[in-house]
Amino acid sequence: KAGVTQTPRYLIKTRGQQVTLSCSPISGHRSVSWYQQTPGQGLQFLFEYFSETQRNKGNFPGRFSGRQFSNSRSEMNVSTLELGDSALYLCASSLAGGRIGELFFGEGSRLTVL
Amino acid sequence: AQTVTQSQPEMSVQEAETVTLSCTYDTSESDYYLFWYKQPPSRQMILVIRQEAYKQQNATENRFSVNFQKAAKSFSLKISDSQLGDAAMYFCAYRRSAGNAGNMLTFGGGTRLMVKP
Repeated sequence: KAGVTQTPRYLIKTRGQQVTLSCSPISGHRSVSWYQQTPGQGLQFLFEYFSETQRNKGNFPGRFSGRQFSNSRSEMNVSTLELGDSALYLCASSLAGGRIGELFFGEGSRLTVL
Repeated sequence: AQTVTQSQPEMSVQEAETVTLSCTYDTSESDYYLFWYKQPPSRQMILVIRQEAYKQQNATENRFSVNFQKAAKSFSLKISDSQLGDAAMYFCAYRRSAGNAGNMLTFGGGTRLMVKP
């Protein structure tokens, strides 16, 4: 079974631009979560989607948004990029009814904002 | 708000020896879940072990075990017979028990474990 797939793996943007990151969960997983990982702030929860509905949201500005499609694939978007948005963005999926807290992570999308 | 603290930014261990990684957390809740996740260099993060706060028995998974001290809000990870493949960043994480918490985990800052051959 294929793991969580994130695209693109690396990207470089400039301040003010916007970016869209994609995540394909493990087949059968309906929950997709997004985390931001930076050296300074560590791993921070962005949001979670389940069956196309946002189930939880972290403490990030409205420039960060996401959505989930009917096939459980998810995208996150960051608008008006700032230097501080440079980070590794991790997507994780989980199985409904699976072990609580058992997340399956992708390799991440590394965003550099210049 | 819950916080998770890992006071050891880096640890090293000799291959085949035992190492313990520390984690403390702060919460006002009585029921919750705790986890240790491993992030190898340039690879996906994976769940190592989980503990349900209402269970007094410490969780074990092969060479990995935890020492869960609920009153002290401490959750350490012991790795026995360390192997080169154990080298990674280790993150302690907390999830409240409420059903609507979903997959919203609070992570500690991480401990980088180096294994010396």
